[in-house]
Amino acid sequence: KQEVTQIPAALSVPEGENLVLNCSFTDSAIYNLQWFRQDPGKGLTSLLLIQSSQREQTSGRLNASLDKSSGRSTLYIAASQPGDSATYLCAEETSGSRLTFGEGTQLTVNP
Amino acid sequence: NAGVMQNPRHLVRRRGQEARLRCSPMKGHSHVYWYRQLPEEGLKFMVYLQKENIIDESGMPKERFSAEFPKEGPSILRIQQVVRGDSAAYFCASSHGTRGVEQYFGPGTRLTVT
Repeated sequence: KQEVTQIPAALSVPEGENLVLNCSFTDSAIYNLQWFRQDPGKGLTSLLLIQSSQREQTSGRLNASLDKSSGRSTLYIAASQPGDSATYLCAEETSGSRLTFGEGTQLTVNP
Repeated sequence: NAGVMQNPRHLVRRRGQEARLRCSPMKGHSHVYWYRQLPEEGLKFMVYLQKENIIDESGMPKERFSAEFPKEGPSILRIQQVVRGDSAAYFCASSHGTRGVEQYFGPGTRLTVT
């Protein structure tokens, strides 16, 4: 059974801090891993997608890494801002094109 | 290029009624996925469709739920005889291919069963 775990479940940081969100997955036969942002009551916004052949992707203040051998991905957010407050979800795609999601990390950045 | 469209955004149904949720994929996308987010839970895969074909419905409840993606028009997720436990946010995603391509999500339909 595929499982995706995100730690921590919740995180509160002061503005300006750099932070790391963690994602672990059990199925090493991964096609890609996506990181999403979800605001309360809203849909999902795709942040970064890392293909299985890649080790990291960067977009602005965000950097995501992928280590298939250890079954881990991290999302690094630099110089956090209050507008970064949201729930961050990671999802792996394995066979069948479906995404398996983690439970999410609820991030609060305090001004 | 409009994103994935879902309607209605909010839907209220009484127990026993039918709910129809619609999803229009991004232009050029022929692959549609439905996911459900129950209150205080993560997103769970329900079904994967291509035009006129159900590819994977392993996440669909065995009864009352059905999905289609006709040759013309949006994908429809249909829930018959809704119960309170069906109250959730239902998200649709689309992609231009399979395996390793990005899925783009719609804003979701929030179903409330009273």
